[in-house]
Amino acid sequence: AQSVTQPDIHITVSEGASLELRCNYSYGATPYLFWYVQSPGQGLQLLLKYFSGDTLVQGIKGFEAEFKRSQSSFNLRKPSVHWSDAAEYFCAVGSNTNAGKSTFGDGTTLTVKP
Amino acid sequence: KAGVTQTPRYLIKTRGQQVTLSCSPISGHRSVSWYQQTPGQGLQFLFEYFSETQRNKGNFPGRFSGRQFSNSRSEMNVSTLELGDSALYLCASSDGDSSRVYGYTFGSGTRLTVV
Repeated sequence: AQSVTQPDIHITVSEGASLELRCNYSYGATPYLFWYVQSPGQGLQLLLKYFSGDTLVQGIKGFEAEFKRSQSSFNLRKPSVHWSDAAEYFCAVGSNTNAGKSTFGDGTTLTVKP
Repeated sequence: KAGVTQTPRYLIKTRGQQVTLSCSPISGHRSVSWYQQTPGQGLQFLFEYFSETQRNKGNFPGRFSGRQFSNSRSEMNVSTLELGDSALYLCASSDGDSSRVYGYTFGSGTRLTVV
């Protein structure tokens, strides 16, 4: 069965510092991978997605992620964090066999220090 | 394009009651999925509808049901509410026929509190 692990429950970074959020997946075939962001009391917003091609993908709000098959990872990065980036971030994998279903990690809460 | 609209935003219900939540997907999106989000269990898949047909269902009891109309609007129903049903219910619509490639556009959710 597919699964997603986000090892860090909570991360704190200073404004202007770089950010990397970790995501590891378990999947039998080429995965469809996503990162979403959720602000308090809101739905999730798609940041970026990967399913083939260049392993470094660019998303919205200055985020990027790198797919590493050998490490089963899809880590999210941002070179310089802004206070408005404080939110919860979810990594997800889409299913090849169950259309319309994605499996989400437990999320990483990002706090940004001034 | 208007986003995914979920109504109502907040609901308070009593144990044993039933509730219906509504979701209007982005115009042109035919796939609608529902998720339950709780602090303890995270995001859990409830079911997915495509062109009025339920294609997939998660591991939830039969008290949780849904449907999709010809205009792609979807409703989910929870009968005989339990305290553990308190959660944020999220609707997500997808372009094409599968979210696995395109990802989701989520609504803001319905916050259900069962007392």
